[in-house]
Amino acid sequence: GNSVTQMEGPVTLSEEAFLTINCTYTATGYPSLFWYVQYPGEGLQLLLKATKADDKGSNKGFEATYRKETTSFHLEKGSVQVSDSAVYFCALREEGQNFVFGPGTRLSVLP
Amino acid sequence: GAVVSQHPSRVICKSGTSVKIECRSLDFQATTMFWYRQFPKQSLMLMATSNEGSKATYEQGVEKDKFLINHASLTLSTLTVTSAHPEDSSFYICSPLGGDLNTEAFFGQGTRLTVV
Repeated sequence: GNSVTQMEGPVTLSEEAFLTINCTYTATGYPSLFWYVQYPGEGLQLLLKATKADDKGSNKGFEATYRKETTSFHLEKGSVQVSDSAVYFCALREEGQNFVFGPGTRLSVLP
Repeated sequence: GAVVSQHPSRVICKSGTSVKIECRSLDFQATTMFWYRQFPKQSLMLMATSNEGSKATYEQGVEKDKFLINHASLTLSTLTVTSAHPEDSSFYICSPLGGDLNTEAFFGQGTRLTVV
């Protein structure tokens, strides 16, 4: 079946540091890829997505590129802020199917 | 994005009691509702899928008599954890869907259930 693997957290960074959260996937078909963010006490919110190979999703300074050859969708941000502290979930969805989520990576950004 | 309201956000209950969690889609009609649970340091796991007016479809390993799902209207679905036990303590999140499975997904705020 399909699956998503993420780097284990927690990840602790200082403000303005560079962020990378690795995500790799296995899929039987050609999925769309997503990053969701969960702020404390809130539900998941879509951060960015990419629907085909080499697409780059971006939002709020975060970026991720759909790499079919390495089956990866790593999340990056050049300069994190305290307000970015949250849990980040990588996910995939094949057409007509439900989401498959990774385990989540908790990010803490210190001032 | 769409507005989804899930209530309560936190609940503590005694073993053997039942807890009802509500999920409302405030500005769209949810023809389908997904219920997930999330154990500490683990990912969201789909528990069940319900379509308005129909019985829910449960994932393998999820007891349908323990987790009662009602989806009587296009804007409200409820999950009732019956005869709760400490191992039911978890984070439950709803995700209403207003179209087909390729539609963007929205999620409730989640409910932290603690059974003591």
